[in-house]
Amino acid sequence: GDKVKQSPSALSLQEGTNSALRCNFSIAATTVQWFLQNPRGSLINLFYLVPGTKENGRLKSTFNSKESYSTLHIRDAQLEDSGTYFCAAEGGNTGKLTFGDGTVLTVKP
Amino acid sequence: GGIITQTPKFLIGQEGQKLTLKCQQNFNHDTMYWYRQDSGKGLRLIYYSITENDLQKGDLSEGYDASREKKSSFSLTVTSAQKNEMAVFLCASSPLTGGARAEQFFGPGTRLTVL
Repeated sequence: GDKVKQSPSALSLQEGTNSALRCNFSIAATTVQWFLQNPRGSLINLFYLVPGTKENGRLKSTFNSKESYSTLHIRDAQLEDSGTYFCAAEGGNTGKLTFGDGTVLTVKP
Repeated sequence: GGIITQTPKFLIGQEGQKLTLKCQQNFNHDTMYWYRQDSGKGLRLIYYSITENDLQKGDLSEGYDASREKKSSFSLTVTSAQKNEMAVFLCASSPLTGGARAEQFFGPGTRLTVL
């Protein structure tokens, strides 16, 4: 959607390389969630962020509320990282998430 | 841990038909949500409920009804299915609404096809 813009829309990576996905917000986001949607359509929770940075294995995510963006860094990409990555922002402690349109990631051997 | 189940997994309807989708969660979460996902797009909020018998409209509530029968279950009704409509409906729940305990967890989805 327009309120949450994800880039790039699609990305192809060689196995073992690094990359970053980005979300820009035009709403006043208070929290951000990142998800991976697998080929079966299930949404897997990756990160739930207040402003700051979290790391989990090969993934690291930052949420900068003042500059209205969030990033997801993938280190040493693996084949199983392939899928669609969504960010979603919650505005004003309403609990309502606004989703971006996703980044389709393909990791190639 | 907990789980969210959605029934049915696949739903085929006829134009004009009223269709009901069901969601159950055993997280003991207060808040439940219904989202719609069209192909190649992000999710859009239809309805949410912060407690039993509560109902709040999302951005896409027109054409839908919802009902929070008890804390663990939240159902969504498509009031009149549109011809050639295809979408996935996803249910989610979170401990609270807003603040540090509002992380949402999703069910596997119901795929709707209208003939």
